[in-house]
Amino acid sequence: GIQVEQSPPDLILQEGANSTLRCNFSDSVNNLQWFHQNPWGQLINLFYIPSGTKQNGRLSATTVATERYSLLYISSSQTTDSGVYFCAVAWHDNNNDMRFGAGTRLTVKP
Amino acid sequence: GAVVSQHPSRVICKSGTSVKIECRSLDFQATTMFWYRQFPKQSLMLMATSNEGSKATYEQGVEKDKFLINHASLTLSTLTVTSAHPEDSSFYICSAVDLAAFFGQGTRLTVV
Repeated sequence: GIQVEQSPPDLILQEGANSTLRCNFSDSVNNLQWFHQNPWGQLINLFYIPSGTKQNGRLSATTVATERYSLLYISSSQTTDSGVYFCAVAWHDNNNDMRFGAGTRLTVKP
Repeated sequence: GAVVSQHPSRVICKSGTSVKIECRSLDFQATTMFWYRQFPKQSLMLMATSNEGSKATYEQGVEKDKFLINHASLTLSTLTVTSAHPEDSSFYICSAVDLAAFFGQGTRLTVV
């Protein structure tokens, strides 16, 4: 099956700093999403981004499908951005189930 | 975006009992839903694919007799953890796809 690798595994930032999270995947995908898992376990949809670039407030994401990677940018980080960020993909010959990377655990300090 | 509702959010049960978890797509129909399991500080692992009107498809290593899945309608899938044991304690979360994948709130199961 497809391999999904996220980096870095852990990231500690000072409030106000910017960061870039990376997701590499091993095969062509027809769906890629970024999620933020809050302390209660809820997965919050950040972006549906199988290709291209999107922005939502302080967050933006870019997927370069031909090179099999996606980036999540967080600007002017806030303490509420803390949590685990997951990249998940689905590929053309599976049944739309999402396969997750190991996640990046972000801690933003005041 | 679409809404997936999962209940209960938290359950504590005695060893040997069964627990049923419900997953509903509230504003769209889903012929397929997915069940995941997440251990502390780990990623989500797909357990099974729930298919409306037919048998579920289980991932390798997942016991189908332990984790019973029923997808009786286009908006409801249920996961029943049968004869639960402490090692079944985990966070279970379902999803359904409406272009993008949407996830329920998750169920934290503790077996004592």
